[in-house]
Amino acid sequence: AQKITQTQPGMFVQEKEAVTLDCTYDTSDPSYGLFWYKQPSSGEMIFLIYQGSYDQQNATEGRYSLNFQKARKSANLVISASQLGDSAMYFCAMREGESTGNQFYFGTGTSLTVIP
Amino acid sequence: GAGVSQSPSNKVTEKGKDVELRCDPISGHTALYWYRQSLGQGLEFLIYFQGNSAPDKSGLPSDRFSAERTGGSVSTLTIQRTQQEDSAVYLCASSFHRGTYEQYFGPGTRLTVT
Repeated sequence: AQKITQTQPGMFVQEKEAVTLDCTYDTSDPSYGLFWYKQPSSGEMIFLIYQGSYDQQNATEGRYSLNFQKARKSANLVISASQLGDSAMYFCAMREGESTGNQFYFGTGTSLTVIP
Repeated sequence: GAGVSQSPSNKVTEKGKDVELRCDPISGHTALYWYRQSLGQGLEFLIYFQGNSAPDKSGLPSDRFSAERTGGSVSTLTIQRTQQEDSAVYLCASSFHRGTYEQYFGPGTRLTVT
């Protein structure tokens, strides 16, 4: 089974609107971390936001927030007030805990295009 | 401080030749990962080093691929007898051991096999 599933290969959003990028994960480890990365056309991988499995509140970083629904194993990224510079590939990732080797798993990515 | 560095940034090689790709992780990071990213695709995990533990090689696509990490720091990914399908961007990332820490990525090495 896929550890990380991103079901939206491509998304479009109007500038200044909010957009949600979906991510579901699969693990039996009670301790894990969830991450979102942005990869613009330049190719660099930029860390955006982190959510720990024991965190009670949803993580937020500026215009980014992570909608963490543990029971549904869902970790959607919400980008508010989209900007043209948000156009990029977005990858969801999970790191399992020490009991399962601290391995990182990445999804296949979602290509976001912000329309002016 | 210095981030993850990779060299070379670009490598063009003829089919059948061997290549070595280098990664310098962030100082103090015990975990080091190699990924491959083909054009427009996601990240394909290759290999993972964690401290002095045996590396997780489960992602290496064939026995032509190997990697080592000397002294718990610099890593070299070697591809022997390169094939055209090996053409991709090879990304290295490092992180602290703990699960709360994100990976920091290098700029990648773009490999083209002609």
